Amino acid sequence: DIQMTQSPSSLSAFVGDRVTITCRASQGIGSYLAWFQQKPGKAPKSLIYSASNLQSGVPSKFSGSGSGTDFTLTISSLQPEDSATYYCQQYNNYPPTFGGGTKVEIK
Amino acid sequence: QVQLVQSGAEVKKPGASVKVSCQASGYTFTSYYMHWVRQAPGQGFEWMGMINPPSGSTMYAQRFQGRVTMTRDTSTSTVYMDLSTLRFEDTALYYCARAPVPAAGLWYFDLWGRGTLVTVSS
Repeated sequence: DIQMTQSPSSLSAFVGDRVTITCRASQGIGSYLAWFQQKPGKAPKSLIYSASNLQSGVPSKFSGSGSGTDFTLTISSLQPEDSATYYCQQYNNYPPTFGGGTKVEIK
Repeated sequence: QVQLVQSGAEVKKPGASVKVSCQASGYTFTSYYMHWVRQAPGQGFEWMGMINPPSGSTMYAQRFQGRVTMTRDTSTSTVYMDLSTLRFEDTALYYCARAPVPAAGLWYFDLWGRGTLVTVSS
């Protein structure tokens, strides 16, 4: 199975900061990478698919980039409602696998 | 409203079975695959398998083969996940997740349920 490694595992930033989360695959996955957000007690929410395509209805402050093995999720201006855990997921190889998550907190 | 509504929390003894339901609404049920993904306490996400609602065909992760059964009822837009021979380590949040039919690659999940907590306890 492909291993997905996220970094950092947690971060704390100020409102308005630009935040970047990294996801690395153990082998190349093309652009078959998705990002989603999870808040406690709520359904996970899809943010990005195909590495850089914004899911419908997701604010443009979220963006994704990368291909092959290295990917990033960027929040351009962090807001209180962005406090959550963010996960990446690869879907190039069977079975689909997930990163361990990055918990984002507001300072 | 486009949503997936899952059944309530369950407590089961080791060796028992559990059946979790997921009812879809607000979209054409047969136009998307449905998957099950679980998250054990403090752990990451683990893909369990999928069902293709029009045909009922399934694909299961190897580690759940023989223990999991996924079914669907197209009349109620509901999918079911049955996990048997429960072990303590099956304690987890079980999510249903919708996946667009891929033009290439496998599946990403564009809509999730809230999760169903299954606790295995003696």
